[in-house]
Amino acid sequence: GENVEQHPSTLSVQEGDSAVIKCTYSDSASNYFPWYKQELGKGPQLIIDIRSNVGEKKDQRIAVTLNKTAKHFSLHITETQPEDSAVYFCAAITRNQFYFGTGTSLTVIP
Amino acid sequence: EAGVVQSPRYKIIEKKQPVAFWCNPISGHNTLYWYRQNLGQGPELLIRYENEEAVDDSQLPKDRFSAERLKGVDSTLKIQPAELGDSAVYLCASSQVSVGGYNEQFFGPGTRLTVL
Repeated sequence: GENVEQHPSTLSVQEGDSAVIKCTYSDSASNYFPWYKQELGKGPQLIIDIRSNVGEKKDQRIAVTLNKTAKHFSLHITETQPEDSAVYFCAAITRNQFYFGTGTSLTVIP
Repeated sequence: EAGVVQSPRYKIIEKKQPVAFWCNPISGHNTLYWYRQNLGQGPELLIRYENEEAVDDSQLPKDRFSAERLKGVDSTLKIQPAELGDSAVYLCASSQVSVGGYNEQFFGPGTRLTVL
């Protein structure tokens, strides 16, 4: 099956700085890569996704890049704000199966 | 539009007791997922339904876990008997079938189970 690794497990940044979270996957058949934000006591919420035929996607302060050759994808958050503090999960989808990373706890320091 | 609804939100039981979780997916979503999320980990799929059919239950511990989705809408997940290691958050998610197989999942708030 698919193996998704996510780094770092914790990340602290000053407000206004950028944050980058990286994931790698193992199955070349994976074709969809969503990112989720999970706040305390809530379920994960989709914040951005990318398909295997696209290398980069941006939505305001959030961007995701995908390198299919190297089997890695990254989440970039610019101009971070305190409300960005949460746990972020990457996922890789293979044959309609979702495989999640282990999460990154992001803290934005005001 | 209402999101995925789960109940109860919290449950504390003693080991060897039974427990059940309920999920109501978003209206019109034919695919329903149950995940288990251990502390500090990502969600792990337990079972996936397409309408009322369980199409992937390979990760469901069938000796103690069972699930049903009658009429292809609401679903229940049951554990009997519960063990200490079952303490986790149980998440339900739903999605629509989409062209190209890319199904955005919408998650409920989860049920936090504590087994004492």
